[in-house]
Amino acid sequence: GDSVTQMEGPVTLSEEAFLTINCTYTATGYPSLFWYVQYPGEGLQLLLKATKADDKGSNKGFEATYRKETTSFHLEKGSVQVSDSAVYFCALSYLGNDYKLSFGAGTTVTVRA
Amino acid sequence: NAGVTQTPKFRILKIGQSMTLQCAQDMNHNYMYWYRQDPGMGLKLIYYSVGAGITDKGEVPNGYNVSRSTTEDFPLRLELAAPSQTSVYFCASSYGGNSPLHFGNGTRLTVT
Repeated sequence: GDSVTQMEGPVTLSEEAFLTINCTYTATGYPSLFWYVQYPGEGLQLLLKATKADDKGSNKGFEATYRKETTSFHLEKGSVQVSDSAVYFCALSYLGNDYKLSFGAGTTVTVRA
Repeated sequence: NAGVTQTPKFRILKIGQSMTLQCAQDMNHNYMYWYRQDPGMGLKLIYYSVGAGITDKGEVPNGYNVSRSTTEDFPLRLELAAPSQTSVYFCASSYGGNSPLHFGNGTRLTVT
C-alpha cells in the first residue's frame, strides 16, 4: 500500500543553518505530495505541495521538489529561524485512495538562537 | 473566521467511560476527518465524511463512532474508553480532492 517515510528526528539547528528533511514514498498510483507543519500547541497546516513529477512547491522560504525517479520529496530551507521550530509531516494522497492523506511519522525541528 | 473548532481541549477519562469530541467548521467544507496523533506515529485516520449523512471508516476506526447530520458538525464518540485511546485527536476539513486540509487545534485525551 501507499506509505511515506521521513527521516527521524529530533533535529536541532542553530539559526541561519541549512535544513533538510528527507521524505520518500511508495504509492500504487500517481500521488500528490505535501508538507504540513505543526507549531507548538496547534493543529497542522499546509506548508507546500506538488501534484506531479518535477513540480517544485515553495512557501515561507521552504522548498521541495517532486522526484519521481527517486520517489522523494525532500524539504529544504536555506536559513532557518527560531520561528521555524515545529514538527514537519510529509504526506501523500491520490485519486485511487479517494485523496485521503497518508502521513509520515513527523520530524521535530528545534532552532536555537 | 473561526475555521475548525474542537472542544474540549483537554479531557481525562476513566476506563469504560464515554464521551463525545466535538468538531465544527464554518468554511462550508464537504469533507471532514478525524485523526489521532501518537508520538512517533504520525497521524492515523479514524473516520471521515464526504458530506452530510455520509461517513466511512479510516485506518483505525475500532472503538469510535461518528455521525454527520449537518455540513458543519462532525462529532467523534468514544463509547467505552480504553487506555489505548489516550492520544491527541485532530479534526480537519477540506473541499475534497487535493485541496488542503484545515485542522483544528486538537483535543488531548487521557484514559486512566
